[in-house]
Amino acid sequence: DAGITQSPRHKVTETGTPVTLRCHQTENHRYMYWYRQDPGHGLRLIHYSYGVKDTDKGEVSDGYSVSRSKTEDFLLTLESATSSQTSVYFCAIRGRIVDGYTFGSGTRLTVV
Amino acid sequence: DQQVKQNSPSLSVQEGRISILNCDYTNSMFDYFLWYKKYPAEGPTFLISISSIKDKNEDGRFTVFLNKSAKHLSLHIVPSQPGDSAVYFCAANDNAGNMLTFGGGTRLMVKT
Repeated sequence: DAGITQSPRHKVTETGTPVTLRCHQTENHRYMYWYRQDPGHGLRLIHYSYGVKDTDKGEVSDGYSVSRSKTEDFLLTLESATSSQTSVYFCAIRGRIVDGYTFGSGTRLTVV
Repeated sequence: DQQVKQNSPSLSVQEGRISILNCDYTNSMFDYFLWYKKYPAEGPTFLISISSIKDKNEDGRFTVFLNKSAKHLSLHIVPSQPGDSAVYFCAANDNAGNMLTFGGGTRLMVKT
């Protein structure tokens, strides 16, 4: 989507390996989010950030860490990937709440 | 425990007829509600929202109704078009405004 990009779009990795997903925004928004989408569960919040170096846990944060060293970048790291982390990961940014969140196109991660 | 529920995983509607998608929530602190639409291999896109001080919000073919006493909201699409076929997510924001909680989604299929 305009103003927000995710990389990579697809990744296959082996169990036990570390993986980092990147979210980049050009909107200068303070809030950034990482969600995962799984069948029957909708979108579940992993972590979010409310400023540089300011992050907090979401609903399903176990096994994930995040970092935000610049306003425009929000990284999601799986320290040691497991098969249960096979999912589609979405990054989102938020300006005014009345405008909703803007989501990236997603990263499909497969852990084999 | 899901705070936002969409109890119908799928809905099939004839083109030109009304589509009604339902959503229930349990957290009385939610004060802003949003609907998102998602096509395959894309991120969710914001569709329409409603504040808890209103009971109806309309935008073209899309209307969202909120019944606070029942903790229920619905999205009406009239008339339904084939391009409306997608997964629809209901989401809610609490008055702190820091994160959205999503329902599990409803897949809408509009038949020609």
